[in-house]
Amino acid sequence: SQKIEQNSEALNIQEGKTATLTCNYTNYSPAYLQWYRQDPGRGPVFLLLIRENEKEKRKERLKVTFDTTLKQSLFHITASQPADSATYLCAPADSWGKLQFGAGTQVVVTP
Amino acid sequence: ETGVTQTPRHLVMGMTNKKSLKCEQHLGHNAMYWYKQSAKKPLELMFVYNFKEQTENNSVPSRFSPECPNSSHLFLHLHTLQPEDSALYLCASSQDSSMETQYFGPGTRLLVL
Repeated sequence: SQKIEQNSEALNIQEGKTATLTCNYTNYSPAYLQWYRQDPGRGPVFLLLIRENEKEKRKERLKVTFDTTLKQSLFHITASQPADSATYLCAPADSWGKLQFGAGTQVVVTP
Repeated sequence: ETGVTQTPRHLVMGMTNKKSLKCEQHLGHNAMYWYKQSAKKPLELMFVYNFKEQTENNSVPSRFSPECPNSSHLFLHLHTLQPEDSALYLCASSQDSSMETQYFGPGTRLLVL
């Protein structure tokens, strides 16, 4: 069955450093992959989308890579700030647009 | 705000109660979704509606009954729920069901006693 794995342990990082999150998937060939941010008690908010033919995508301090050979996506937050503290969800999608979400990784940025 | 609203934000109900969750989107989208999010678990897709027609039911128990009267509104009718149904219920919308970005509401936190 299809499986999406994100690190279940919280990532604690000092302000100003780069946070790197991993999303691995198995039994799956997604057409594209999305990353969402979720704050406590709120719904997820879309951040970035990367397609299977793209290696890297950037948006401000965020960077996403997509390696279809390794079946992995990396999500980077550069120059992290306390306001970046949240849970980040990985969501690969098939060619019909059906998303499947990972459980998410919590990021805690301390001043 | 994402343009998707959900009411109520919190709900406590007994196992014999009947209640409904409401979702409304102001984005002009044609697809709407219900997800269930339990603690430390991934979002689980429950139902998908596209142009008011149900296109997906992800083996959801019949005690959950969705209704989509138009493309802007989505309901989830609840009856005889179990304590394990306690979770955050999220509504989302997208331009249509094959489109990429989904916009989520704030969710309804449900507690079944």
